[in-house]
Amino acid sequence: ELKVEQNPLFLSMQEGKNYTIYCNYSTTSDRLYWYRQDPGKSLESLFVLLSNGAVKQEGRLMASLDTKARLSTLHITAAVHDLSATYFCAVDFDFGAGSYQLTFGKGTKLSVIP
Amino acid sequence: DTGVSQNPRHKITKRGQNVTFRCDPISEHNRLYWYRQTLGQGPEFLTYFQNEAQLEKSRLLSDRFSAERPKGSFSTLEIQRTEQGDSAMYLCASIQASPYNEQFFGPGTRLTVL
Repeated sequence: ELKVEQNPLFLSMQEGKNYTIYCNYSTTSDRLYWYRQDPGKSLESLFVLLSNGAVKQEGRLMASLDTKARLSTLHITAAVHDLSATYFCAVDFDFGAGSYQLTFGKGTKLSVIP
Repeated sequence: DTGVSQNPRHKITKRGQNVTFRCDPISEHNRLYWYRQTLGQGPEFLTYFQNEAQLEKSRLLSDRFSAERPKGSFSTLEIQRTEQGDSAMYLCASIQASPYNEQFFGPGTRLTVL
């Protein structure tokens, strides 16, 4: 069974600080995704990581992937209040014959405090 | 608006009633997924379609749940004899198969079973 674990599950940080969210997964996968979800809203795609060593950056967020360690990180630089949300990582797993399913972590609820 | 749409956005029903949700994917996307998300958890896969064919169903999808995608366009998810444990956000996502397999999510239907 594919498992995706995120930590921390809750993160309270001050504006201007840096922090990293970790995502571990249990089985070899082809792709890893990061999504953002605001309260009561749907999921917004942030990053798609395809290969070992992939690094993508958008604004204050940077995601990386180490397929050998089965680890992805989402690094937050100089946090601002607008980044407060829940962040999910999800792993795309081939269950055979090209049948892909996303398995999500439980999410990291980020609160950025002024 | 060319994104994924879902209707209704909110549904309140009494236990034992049947409910049906609709998802309209992005028009050129051939794969459509249904997920369920409960409070404080990541989305959980329910089922997916490639065109009109339902290719995978999760063990979460009891015999009270049925999904269709006639003509490979919109999809419906029906829950019969609803139970309080069915209360959740039901999310639909669509993709056009590519190296990225990026899923685009709709706004969701929030179901409350009284």
